Amino acid sequence: ETGVTQSPTHLIKTRGQQVTLRCSSQSGHNTVSWYQQALGQGPQFIFQYYREEENGRGNFPPRFSGLQFPNYSSELNVNALELDDSALYLCASSPQGSGQYYEQYFGPGTRLTVT
Amino acid sequence: DQQVKQNSPSLSVQEGRISILNCDYTNSMFDYFLWYKKYPAEGPTFLISISSIKDKNEDGRFTVFLNKSAKHLSLHIVPSQPGDSAVYFCAAIKGNAGNMLTFGGGTRLMVKP
Repeated sequence: ETGVTQSPTHLIKTRGQQVTLRCSSQSGHNTVSWYQQALGQGPQFIFQYYREEENGRGNFPPRFSGLQFPNYSSELNVNALELDDSALYLCASSPQGSGQYYEQYFGPGTRLTVT
Repeated sequence: DQQVKQNSPSLSVQEGRISILNCDYTNSMFDYFLWYKKYPAEGPTFLISISSIKDKNEDGRFTVFLNKSAKHLSLHIVPSQPGDSAVYFCAAIKGNAGNMLTFGGGTRLMVKP
């Protein structure tokens, strides 16, 4: 069974640019959540996708957007990058509706640096 | 407004002794609590959880205690092992908020041999 994978591992972008981060969910999982972890802080919920639709959103502006594909993989897009967007971006998948509702399996994250 | 707080950024204990990690929350709508462990360059890994209808849950060396009136939970690790050295996050969920985890800021545990 393959776990949650994320790409790329590291990324450096310039303020104002756009970035796309990718996540492959664990086999059998139909729900993907994205979190932002700034340095020295805990992860903060960005949004969740369930069966290709956004199914919950945290306190993040609209320039943070996402997609989920029929194979349940997901993308996180951030437009007009700001310096404060520098963080570790974590993707988590879960088998929602299968009885393991709360257990989320995290990927290793993508480290984004905005200069 | 931090709804979940871990007031100790770090904790150092001797191998074989007990490690106690604390977490406080402010939102009384939280009804499920989890602890995650995170090693460098890896994502958080689920450790143990507790429902708000219980006050204790045990899994091997790990026990989580919940005090609802004080809005406080703690994770006990007995005995502590050097491999337990990691950052520990407590997280909480509101029943109607799907899988949206609200995390604390984390506590770095160092277990000395």
